[in-house]
Amino acid sequence: DTAVSQTPKYLVTQMGNDKSIKCEQNLGHDTMYWYKQDSKKFLKIMFSYNNKELIINETVPNRFSPKSPDKAHLNLHINSLELGDSAVYFCASSPPGQGSTGELFFGEGSRLTVL
Amino acid sequence: GENVEQHPSTLSVQEGDSAVIKCTYSDSASNYFPWYKQELGKRPQLIIDIRSNVGEKKDQRIAVTLNKTAKHFSLHITETQPEDSAVYFCAAVKPGTYKYIFGTGTRLKVLA
Repeated sequence: DTAVSQTPKYLVTQMGNDKSIKCEQNLGHDTMYWYKQDSKKFLKIMFSYNNKELIINETVPNRFSPKSPDKAHLNLHINSLELGDSAVYFCASSPPGQGSTGELFFGEGSRLTVL
Repeated sequence: GENVEQHPSTLSVQEGDSAVIKCTYSDSASNYFPWYKQELGKRPQLIIDIRSNVGEKKDQRIAVTLNKTAKHFSLHITETQPEDSAVYFCAAVKPGTYKYIFGTGTRLKVLA
């Protein structure tokens, strides 16, 4: 049973295209996140949703648009892809009842390569 | 803004030796400090965490210490084994923000 699952795991696309990554968690968590890990391995927060409400929106280009249809799902849509968008995108979730200081459970990551 | 500095960026130790990774955070309101291990090609996974009301926590070969005054916290791994080789990330979290600020990572290599 995969706790936090992302699809696709690998994505190779041309510059200028639009692509989406989907994330689902079956842990009953209230809060979900998107993190970007670049080639230097830096983990940078992009967005966070708590019970479908956007609570973190870092300085990310507006080509990136998250969407949370329900608290178990958080998707990421990227328009007009650029070379610099190449990275591994991690979805994560954290449990309710611990406020903002509980363990982050990460998905397996989606490696995006823009050519 | 919030910042977490992590040192060293790479660390090589002989099997059986100890490894220490250090982090410094900028926001004194941070009260939760987790450590994550990321093996090659895998997801980051929590290995130990500490909250600001505790100065030290230990779990078998892994320990974390926190100095709130200096805004430092450290990960200590004793009797290192080859399977400890990975990238380790520290993080600091301020209550009510849901924002986990990660350090830049330390690549640990344990040489057999």
